[in-house]
Amino acid sequence: KAGVTQTPRYLIKTRGQQVTLSCSPISGHRSVSWYQQTPGQGLQFLFEYFSETQRNKGNFPGRFSGRQFSNSRSEMNVSTLELGDSALYLCASSLAAGSGSYEQYFGPGTRLTVT
Amino acid sequence: SQELEQSPQSLIVQEGKNLTINCTSSKTLYGLYWYKQKYGEGLIFLMMLQKGGEEKSHEKITAKLDEKKQQSSLHITASQPSHAGIYLCGADLPSARQLTFGSGTQLTVLP
Repeated sequence: KAGVTQTPRYLIKTRGQQVTLSCSPISGHRSVSWYQQTPGQGLQFLFEYFSETQRNKGNFPGRFSGRQFSNSRSEMNVSTLELGDSALYLCASSLAAGSGSYEQYFGPGTRLTVT
Repeated sequence: SQELEQSPQSLIVQEGKNLTINCTSSKTLYGLYWYKQKYGEGLIFLMMLQKGGEEKSHEKITAKLDEKKQQSSLHITASQPSHAGIYLCGADLPSARQLTFGSGTQLTVLP
């Protein structure tokens, strides 16, 4: 079974631009979660999607948004990029959503650098 | 996350030595997950613990959740350079609707 894939792997953007990251979950997995990882803040939860619906959202500004398609693939978008958005963005998939269902499998991540 | 404390923050050991990493919460854990991460890459799922006193092993790595379900330990026996990386614990905390992660333990194994 193919693992979680994320594209692109690396991205360099300028302040003020917007960016879209993509995540394809493991076949059969319907839940996709997104995380931001930085040296200072560690791994922080962005949002979770299940069956095309956002189930949960972390404490990030509205510039961060996401969506999930009928085939469970997910995208996240960051508008009006700031220098502080430079981070490793990780996507994780799991069979189900909710408490007790966090055997999540992570993709390799997208390294975003904002200059 | 301050809700989940990992210790130590970093660890340097000689190949062949045993080591332990701890993950502590002030709240009861509904589930505790251990992951390993190579720098700049994704997380690799290691183990999930749900019951108090539960212990699981995979190759030379053993993880245990204490009876009160507020602390977990990850023990590596006879460490190898391939064990090097960042170990993260993730917890299913009460009233939280997502996985909360500790700050990680950077493990270096010297050959």
